[in-house]
Amino acid sequence: GAVVSQHPSWVICKSGTSVKIECRSLDFQATTMFWYRQFPKQSLMLMATSNEGSKATYEQGVEKDKFLINHASLTLSTLTVTSAHPEDSSFYICSAEGPGSPGANVLTFGAGSRLTVL
Amino acid sequence: AQSVTQLGSHVSVSEGALVLLRCNYSSSVPPYLFWYVQYPNQGLQLLLKYTTGATLVKGINGFEAEFKKSETSFHLTKPSAHMSDAAEYFCAVRDNNNDMRFGAGTRLTVKP
Repeated sequence: GAVVSQHPSWVICKSGTSVKIECRSLDFQATTMFWYRQFPKQSLMLMATSNEGSKATYEQGVEKDKFLINHASLTLSTLTVTSAHPEDSSFYICSAEGPGSPGANVLTFGAGSRLTVL
Repeated sequence: AQSVTQLGSHVSVSEGALVLLRCNYSSSVPPYLFWYVQYPNQGLQLLLKYTTGATLVKGINGFEAEFKKSETSFHLTKPSAHMSDAAEYFCAVRDNNNDMRFGAGTRLTVKP
């Protein structure tokens, strides 16, 4: 079945540094990828939608310059948290869909990446 | 824009008892509906989905859900809870704009 891999699963960084999270579709072409943020005991909040080869579309209230999203290939999207601060600490989850997805309108989710900013 | 409401942030059942997790949605067009399960520190796993056709949908791990258009509901059920069912469950709706929106989630606890 369709598999989406996220890396790293855990990352701790110092305030002011940048962190890159990768999201890879292992066995299908991810024409569209979505990035979500999840706070403890809360739901997933859509941050942005990215189509391969295009600029990401950000949700209202999400800072484009802080959360840089790149989707340069059909199997890889990256989220870079720039100049991270403690309030950016969260669980970031990506999802993907495209030819080979397990059904129309079905998203395949990565396992998530927990970011802790000290 | 569509929205999803999950009634009850926490549901507790005994092992072997019926599981009922409630989900209501609002959408201006016929939606696609999903239930996902999330275990601690993991991503989301699809339990089941409704797109078109039969309104009673069967998913993995013995779960099923029924799409009731008149009630704008998509409640998730399982006849007999198992300890391994303890997790966070999210209802989600997707419309023609392709945005997928999630409910707030329901934490299911299963007591021995």
